Amino acid sequence: EPEVTQTPSHQVTQMGQEVILRCVPISNHLYFYWYRQILGQKVEFLVSFYNNEISEKSEIFDDQFSVERPDGSNFTLKIRSTKLEDSAMYFCASSTQGASHYEQYFGPGTRLTVT
Amino acid sequence: AQSVTQLGSHVSVSEGALVLLRCNYSSSVPPYLFWYVQYPNQGLQLLLKYTTGATLVKGINGFEAEFKKSETSFHLTKPSAHMSDAAEYFCAVSDPGGGSQGNLIFGKGTKLSVKP
Repeated sequence: EPEVTQTPSHQVTQMGQEVILRCVPISNHLYFYWYRQILGQKVEFLVSFYNNEISEKSEIFDDQFSVERPDGSNFTLKIRSTKLEDSAMYFCASSTQGASHYEQYFGPGTRLTVT
Repeated sequence: AQSVTQLGSHVSVSEGALVLLRCNYSSSVPPYLFWYVQYPNQGLQLLLKYTTGATLVKGINGFEAEFKKSETSFHLTKPSAHMSDAAEYFCAVSDPGGGSQGNLIFGKGTKLSVKP
């Protein structure tokens, strides 16, 4: 069964460093999402992406964040200069359609630890 | 703004007992409603969803949920818990509006433990 994959499973970085989290969505999906979950808190929407551009973004997704689909398979989230508060589990998701009732398929997540 | 409240961060039941995980939402219009499950070291997996039609929806693994508009609730139930149901369960909503890209708003999650 097709699945969303994410690498690495755990990333440790120092404050101020750049990190890139990688996702490979399901191959025929067109809509891509990033969510994050700070330990003990809710899963929060960060950004949605379609047709090589951002569709929607939350207030969390500030200038330190960027997303890219550098080739036909990868979807990346870059954090330019990490802060301690960026420590969280980051989930990638993909969907065949962007409408609200379509299922989003989630990856297993990348745990980012900023020290 | 929409929000989701899951009562109980941790629920423990005995094998064979009823599972009830509570979810209430706050929204100006009835949203689309979802339950996701996360097993250890895996991604979030859709259990079931309500969009329109019958308010009692059945999902995978014997779970079901009922949308009650008057109570703004979408509680998840399973008549008889199995050890394999131990996982974290997330309730989520999305905006049914035409301009929405389907962004999900999640609750905090409820960790279900099943005792032998």
